[in-house]
Amino acid sequence: DAKTTQPTSMDCAEGRAANLPCNHSTISGNEYVYWYRQIHSQGPQYIIHGLKNNETNEMASLIITEDRKSSTLILPHATLRDTAVYYCIVRPPPNFGNEKLTFGTGTRLTIIP
Amino acid sequence: KAGVTQTPRYLIKTRGQQVTLSCSPISGHRSVSWYQQTPGQGLQFLFEYFSETQRNKGNFPGRFSGRQFSNSRSEMNVSTLELGDSALYLCASSLGAASAEAFFGQGTRLTVV
Repeated sequence: DAKTTQPTSMDCAEGRAANLPCNHSTISGNEYVYWYRQIHSQGPQYIIHGLKNNETNEMASLIITEDRKSSTLILPHATLRDTAVYYCIVRPPPNFGNEKLTFGTGTRLTIIP
Repeated sequence: KAGVTQTPRYLIKTRGQQVTLSCSPISGHRSVSWYQQTPGQGLQFLFEYFSETQRNKGNFPGRFSGRQFSNSRSEMNVSTLELGDSALYLCASSLGAASAEAFFGQGTRLTVV
């Protein structure tokens, strides 16, 4: 699995957009970018995933650069409940037999009131 | 629908003992993965089961084992416990075939004394 690089920590003001970057310069052509987050003392929670196009769901938006070497997770209106560690993961397609997730160290996002 | 259920939530064991942790996946999910989370090593993949068969295995010693039952419930066992086995053990369930996301339980916090 391709390695990812994320900032160790970030702060964001409540109500503002939180933009979390991830570098995955060794990503292969068929590998997806996934984002999970882990709120203190809970199990990780799936946020969003994408291959090459930008994606949006009710939680966040994922912007993947054209060369696919980096991406940005956007939380449009951050709330205090978004304070968590955010993990960017690169993995093969979610096909039969590929359930393993390789977690890095993630970004600790703190939302400031 | 009910989420992933892990039991027990907390456990204290003595060095040399063995322990069994249980995970009940979301109804209809056939894949169960186990992860160990420690402050020093982060989230690490232990193994994954699908339809009672181990499909993937992480880099852990043979003291760590698991199994899956016909109803998809899974157990993991750690024998001859060491102090370093103290960790949060997380279980994740997914459909296991062309699925996009894994759902994590709250975890079992194991303390070895």
